[in-house]
Amino acid sequence: DVVMTQSPLSLPVTLGQPASISCRSSQSLVYSDGNTYLTWFHQRPGQSPRRLIFKVSNRDSGVPDRFGGSGSDTDFTLKISRVEADDVGIYYCMQGTHWPPTFGQGTKVEIK
Amino acid sequence: QVQLVESGGGVVQPGGSLRLSCAASGFSFSTYGMHWVRQAPGKGLEWVTFIRYDGSKQYSADSVKGRFTISRDNSKNTVYLQMHSLRPEDTAVYFCAKESIFGVLTGFDYWGQGTLVIVSS
Repeated sequence: DVVMTQSPLSLPVTLGQPASISCRSSQSLVYSDGNTYLTWFHQRPGQSPRRLIFKVSNRDSGVPDRFGGSGSDTDFTLKISRVEADDVGIYYCMQGTHWPPTFGQGTKVEIK
Repeated sequence: QVQLVESGGGVVQPGGSLRLSCAASGFSFSTYGMHWVRQAPGKGLEWVTFIRYDGSKQYSADSVKGRFTISRDNSKNTVYLQMHSLRPEDTAVYFCAKESIFGVLTGFDYWGQGTLVIVSS
């Protein structure tokens, strides 16, 4: 199975400041159709996960443009340009290119 | 709007069985693959199993293969997870999740609220 490795695992941030989460895969995530299937989810405390970004950089409907995804091949990043209180929780990356789908360990974002 | 509502969780002894249900609404259920994803207490997300939109194919993680079976009833807009030979390490919140229009490639665009399964004597 493809191993997804996130860093850091804990990220204390100051309100209004940027935040960045790294996600690395053990294999290239480029699919046979040329696309790269890397997805980001956000899980608030006590809630189910919510998809934020798919295919590396495509934001879901309703996701603020403060959130941005980037990267290629095996190296990906989720950036929050200005952290708001509502952004706390755990962020997971997930690859869908290879079967079975696999998740990163999660990065816990909290406010300093 | 899309809703996924899981039920059937509870406390079961090791070696026991349990059946989870996920009732779907707000979308054309019979045209989407469905998944179960679990989350052990304080841990991350683990994909468990998948069923094709028409029920013709199912795939499961090695950790549950031979013990868990996913099925669906498109006439009832419901997907099921039958769990046998439960182990303490199966203790988790079980989420049902809907594939997006591109299938599992782009992850799961809707999730249920989850149902808690506790395997303990």
